[in-house]
Amino acid sequence: RKEVEQDPGPFNVPEGATVAFNCTYSNSASQSFFWYRQDCRKEPKLLMSVYSSGNEDGRFTAQLNRASQYISLLIRDSKLSDSATYLCVVTNNNAGNMLTFGGGTRLMVKP
Amino acid sequence: DGGITQSPKYLFRKEGQNVTLSCEQNLNHDAMYWYRQDPGQGLRLIYYSQIVNDFQKGDIAEGYSVSREKKESFPLTVTSAQKNPTAFYLCASSKGQFSNTIYFGEGSWLTVV
Repeated sequence: RKEVEQDPGPFNVPEGATVAFNCTYSNSASQSFFWYRQDCRKEPKLLMSVYSSGNEDGRFTAQLNRASQYISLLIRDSKLSDSATYLCVVTNNNAGNMLTFGGGTRLMVKP
Repeated sequence: DGGITQSPKYLFRKEGQNVTLSCEQNLNHDAMYWYRQDPGQGLRLIYYSQIVNDFQKGDIAEGYSVSREKKESFPLTVTSAQKNPTAFYLCASSKGQFSNTIYFGEGSWLTVV
């Protein structure tokens, strides 16, 4: 079983739609959680950190469920520019704080 | 501007050749990393270095080598022992071992011909 698992997609949605991605992690010692965005053939860039209390940044909402070991990302009012791959990332401070990446979920927003 | 510079962006290698990918950062970060990404997959850690003159193997170090002689530089050599080297290689850095914020270079595409 992979340490961080994501549905690879692609998720094809129309502009304006709301879309949600989930990510599960297997290491219960994981302590920090993030969503990264990666455009085609580019480097990943930090989208947002994920906190236990949940956090929101504009149209993006991230939530963490430690009991079930999953992380979610909700995108409201999708824009064409949201088309990208979204990577779920976790760290384990007991393992030198190394980032462990999920395989990514590809989102395609259509006009 | 501060950041991470990788070169070359595109590289073709003949089978049996070693190649070295350059990674330079001017962020004054202590920690540097090399990742490999295959199409449709996540990033896998090759090597990392938390401090100058020290580095550790990641999950897929076989067929690769690194050095960290200077804080700013962390070159990766893809040796002929790496059986499937065609991939997208990403260098990254962070302030220190327990810093959660990691910055990536733009990546290097390596193709074996």
